[in-house]
Amino acid sequence: AQSVTQLGSHVSVSEGALVLLRCNYSSSVPPYLFWYVQYPNQGLQLLLKYTSAATLVKGINGFEAEFKKSETSFHLTKPSAHMSDAAEYFCAVSSNFGNEKLTFGTGTRLTIIP
Amino acid sequence: ETGVTQSPTHLIKTRGQQVTLRCSSQSGHNTVSWYQQALGQGPQFIFQYYREEENGRGNFPPRFSGLQFPNYSSELNVNALELDDSALYLCASSDPIAKNIQYFGAGTRLSVL
Repeated sequence: AQSVTQLGSHVSVSEGALVLLRCNYSSSVPPYLFWYVQYPNQGLQLLLKYTSAATLVKGINGFEAEFKKSETSFHLTKPSAHMSDAAEYFCAVSSNFGNEKLTFGTGTRLTIIP
Repeated sequence: ETGVTQSPTHLIKTRGQQVTLRCSSQSGHNTVSWYQQALGQGPQFIFQYYREEENGRGNFPPRFSGLQFPNYSSELNVNALELDDSALYLCASSDPIAKNIQYFGAGTRLSVL
């Protein structure tokens, strides 16, 4: 069984400040890990993915995440927040074989303070 | 190359009715997955279709059913609608090589009154 825990349902940061959104996973098999972003009244957009290659993954819009097996974490960061980053962010896990369903966390709503 | 498209955008039904939601997968993608996202929650996996066959199912009752067509488009059918079925229904497609990487449509928002 796989699961994802996102710490902090709401995170607020000032424009230009560091963004850090936390994700911890549980998986009995080597995981694939994903971050998706959802803007109001829209679907999910893939930000970045970890699929067992480099542990530091760079995504779109200046975001990156680091896979840390020892900590079972896959935290999302961005050095400098922009107003357009305000959205809901979801961490997800899947396995690398069999049914490739995604198991999502409950999401973190990111607010940017001008 | 077109992305994943879903129709309709919004839908209002009453309890006990039946609904059909539609999804066109991204070009070249033969796997379609459906998710239910209740308000304030993360998406929950309903089922997945691969080459017109169901390829895994989440914890949803049999009144949730689906189809995949030869062109890889898909339908989600829900019978005997309940109030708790009110949610955003998301369709995602993936290609034969990178099955784990799923690309989502904008969703269909279903309201059950």
